[in-house]
Amino acid sequence: DQQVKQNSPSLSVQEGRISILNCDYTNSMFDYFLWYKKYPAEGPTFLISISSIKDKNEDGRFTVFLNKSAKHLSLHIVPSQPGDSAVYFCATFSNSGYALNFGKGTSLLVTP
Amino acid sequence: DVKVTQSSRYLVKRTGEKVFLECVQDMDHENMFWYRQDPGLGLRLIYFSYDVKMKEKGDIPEGYSVSREKKERFSLILESASTNQTSMYLCASSFGDRGTQYFGPGTRLTVL
Repeated sequence: DQQVKQNSPSLSVQEGRISILNCDYTNSMFDYFLWYKKYPAEGPTFLISISSIKDKNEDGRFTVFLNKSAKHLSLHIVPSQPGDSAVYFCATFSNSGYALNFGKGTSLLVTP
Repeated sequence: DVKVTQSSRYLVKRTGEKVFLECVQDMDHENMFWYRQDPGLGLRLIYFSYDVKMKEKGDIPEGYSVSREKKERFSLILESASTNQTSMYLCASSFGDRGTQYFGPGTRLTVL
């Protein structure tokens, strides 16, 4: 059973507009969430994270919002740039506290 | 900068062969991980290790084993490769409980 779900496999956005990537989770005990970005033929790289004690975390063009009651988080990229085209994975720590449970990813395409 | 390196970027093996995938990290991280990435399935954890000679099964350990004889090195072993093990294999490392994971570039393994 997937504990972290990304229901949109792909998203296409024009350059300069906002990209919104969504993620739902099943367990209300999860208390820390991360977003990773992956280019083809490269390993994922950490992008931004949020703790459940917050509802928003911002880093430059990237903002993550957490809605605990809905068990939903979203990543906003503003403004989107062609270099943001990649697969984005949302993740949370597993029960062990070491490994990550990843969603299936959303492929973002930012067109000029 | 954390560096995680993997022994091969591309590998082609025959069904039934024993396959070794090597991963080395240079940041003295305690934790190391092996994931595989498949289209539509995201990243799935195969095994992880939180200390030398320690290992824990992930979500899909069947058909794989691991070895961690030194802190910086974590090996994934396919005892008898099968075609359904054709995949992108990603190694990661992290420090401590809930540490950010840093990924290697991945090994694209094809089993014929």
